[in-house]
Amino acid sequence: AQSVAQPEDQVNVAEGNPLTVKCTYSVSGNPYLFWYVQYPNRGLQFLLKYITGDNLVKGSYGFEAEFNKSQTSFHLKKPSALVSDSALYFCAVRAWAGKSTFGDGTTLTVKP
Amino acid sequence: SQTIHQWPATLVQPVGSPLSLECTVEGTSNPNLYWYRQAAGRGLQLLFYSVGIGQISSEVPQNLSASRPQDRQFILSSKKLLLSDSGFYLCAWSVQQNTGELFFGEGSRLTVL
Repeated sequence: AQSVAQPEDQVNVAEGNPLTVKCTYSVSGNPYLFWYVQYPNRGLQFLLKYITGDNLVKGSYGFEAEFNKSQTSFHLKKPSALVSDSALYFCAVRAWAGKSTFGDGTTLTVKP
Repeated sequence: SQTIHQWPATLVQPVGSPLSLECTVEGTSNPNLYWYRQAAGRGLQLLFYSVGIGQISSEVPQNLSASRPQDRQFILSSKKLLLSDSGFYLCAWSVQQNTGELFFGEGSRLTVL
């Protein structure tokens, strides 16, 4: 079985400050890890993924994520937050049979 | 480029009425297709997925069914809706490999009264 945990329901940061949205995972075998963003009443949009290789993955809109195998974590980061980054963020793991398991989501609020 | 269309965007249905949500993908062939339900704007629950025409796997026992009559068409149905079927339904597709990300439609918000 595979699972994803996003320990924070809500993350608040000031515009211009760095942001981190946390994610830990549990999976048998090699993990394929993903981050998605969802704006209100919209579908999810893919941000970035880790498949193999460099532990620091860069994605869309200036986001990056760091894969840490020993801590089974895949935290989403951005050096300088924008108000427009405010949204719901989902971490997901995909290990077998093509099925993705999603975390419960973290609401990011960036205040001006 | 690939696109995914999902409709209707919003619908309000009485308890006991039927349901049909449709999803089509353009610009790719033989995709994996998925139906997810999102309750209260939070986590996603996988309802059905399909790796090919006529091949449907159900993840949870429920009042819903899915069909894939064509390679790029995925339909979510119910014969009789329950109040608990209310939610935001999302269709998604991916390439067959496990390393592929999901591409989501814009969602269908169902309210059962």
